[in-house]
Amino acid sequence: DAGVIQSPRHEVTEMGQEVTLRCKPISGHNSLFWYRQTMMRGLELLIYFNNNVPIDDSGMPEDRFSAKMPNASFSTLKIQPSEPRDSAVYFCASNPTGGRAEAFFGQGTRLTVV
Amino acid sequence: DAKTTQPTSMDCAEGRAANLPCNHSTISGNEYVYWYRQIHSQGPQYIIHGLKNNETNEMASLIITEDRKSSTLILPHATLRDTAVYYCIVRTVNTDKLIFGTGTRLQVFP
Repeated sequence: DAGVIQSPRHEVTEMGQEVTLRCKPISGHNSLFWYRQTMMRGLELLIYFNNNVPIDDSGMPEDRFSAKMPNASFSTLKIQPSEPRDSAVYFCASNPTGGRAEAFFGQGTRLTVV
Repeated sequence: DAKTTQPTSMDCAEGRAANLPCNHSTISGNEYVYWYRQIHSQGPQYIIHGLKNNETNEMASLIITEDRKSSTLILPHATLRDTAVYYCIVRTVNTDKLIFGTGTRLQVFP
C-alpha cells in the first residue's frame, strides 16, 4: 500500500478563496483524522471519522472549515473563505481499528494563504 | 485522556542510547502510553505503545514504571536520522483520538 495520500502537497491561495484539501486513507482503515500544525499551536486534531461518519469535530476552528468523507477511500477538508491565519500544514491520518491500533500519517499539505 | 509532561529538548551523541522521559501521573487503568515521532517536515510516525509491561520493537524500547505514572522511551543506538520531535501520548482503548502535546525535541549530534 502507498500509505495515506494527501493532495496537493503545497497550496498557495489568496485570502477569500476556497481551498480543498484531499486525503486517501490506507485501504481497509476505518478511522480517518484531520490535523493542523502550526508553530504556535503545534499539532491540533480538527476532526475524526469512523466508518465515514464524523465522530468528533470539536477541534474544527469555525464554520469556515468543513470536512466530508463520502466513502471509505476519500475525504476532503474545505476552507471557505480562507484567511491568512489558516496558513499551516494539514495532516491526514488513518488507522485500521479502534483503540490500540497505530495511526499512519500522510505527508501533509502545506497551505499558505496570502 | 491523561495529560503528559515531557522535557522541551534533549541532546544525545550518535551511537549512544537516547532516553526520553515522560510523566503521566494522572493515567488511569485503561489508558495506554503511545510514542510517536516527527522528523522535520514529515507526518508523525508511530514508534511503540504499551499498557503496563515493558515493550520492545525494532525501533525502540518502552519502559513503564510499576505505578504507571511515568515512562521512558529508549533508542538504544541513536543515529543522526533519529533527530526529531518525540511525542508521548496517553490514550484510552475506547477512542481513536490521538492528542499531541508539545513533545521533546531530540538532537543527535556526531
